[in-house]
Amino acid sequence: RKEVEQDPGPFNVPEGATVAFNCTYSNSASQSFFWYRQDCRKEPKLLMSVYSSGNEDGRFTAQLNRASQYISLLIRDSKLSDSATYLCVVKPSGYSTLTFGKGTMLLVSP
Amino acid sequence: EAQVTQNPRYLITVTGKKLTVTCSQNMNHEYMSWYRQDPGLGLRQIYYSMNVEVTDKGDVPEGYKVSRKEKRNFPLILESPSPNQTSLYFCASSSLIRSGDTQYFGPGTRLTVL
Repeated sequence: RKEVEQDPGPFNVPEGATVAFNCTYSNSASQSFFWYRQDCRKEPKLLMSVYSSGNEDGRFTAQLNRASQYISLLIRDSKLSDSATYLCVVKPSGYSTLTFGKGTMLLVSP
Repeated sequence: EAQVTQNPRYLITVTGKKLTVTCSQNMNHEYMSWYRQDPGLGLRQIYYSMNVEVTDKGDVPEGYKVSRKEKRNFPLILESPSPNQTSLYFCASSSLIRSGDTQYFGPGTRLTVL
């Protein structure tokens, strides 16, 4: 089983739509979770950390379900500028390296 | 401005010609790492370093070397590049003191080996 799995997409949605991505991870000892955004041929950039209680940042909401070992990202009122690849990232323990999913591509159209 | 820099940004070279890609960070981070990204394979870690003079292999270390003589620098060395090392390379750094801290990435180096 892959360590971090994501649906590669692409997800094609119109502007204003709500879209959700899920990600599953295999290491139950994982402690930290993140969503990164990557534009084409650019470096990944942190979008948001994911906390156990769930967290929201504007139009973006992240949820963590430790029992089922999945993480979700909800984007409301999609903008054209949201078009990118979204990477699910898991950190197994405090001082270990990050494990990246392969990413989910989002295309928002007018 | 806090940042990770990489040089060169683009490089075309030939098989067997040694090259070095530099990486530098100005955030006093202990942890630094190199990744390569290929279509369909995602980001794969090459090497990482927890501090000066401490380096370790990632998932795909073959054909690469690194060194960490100073805290801010973490160069990636390809002693004898081959075409299968054509890829997009990212350097990243993070704090180990703040254990929940995530990684900051450099802008990437696009390498083509002919």
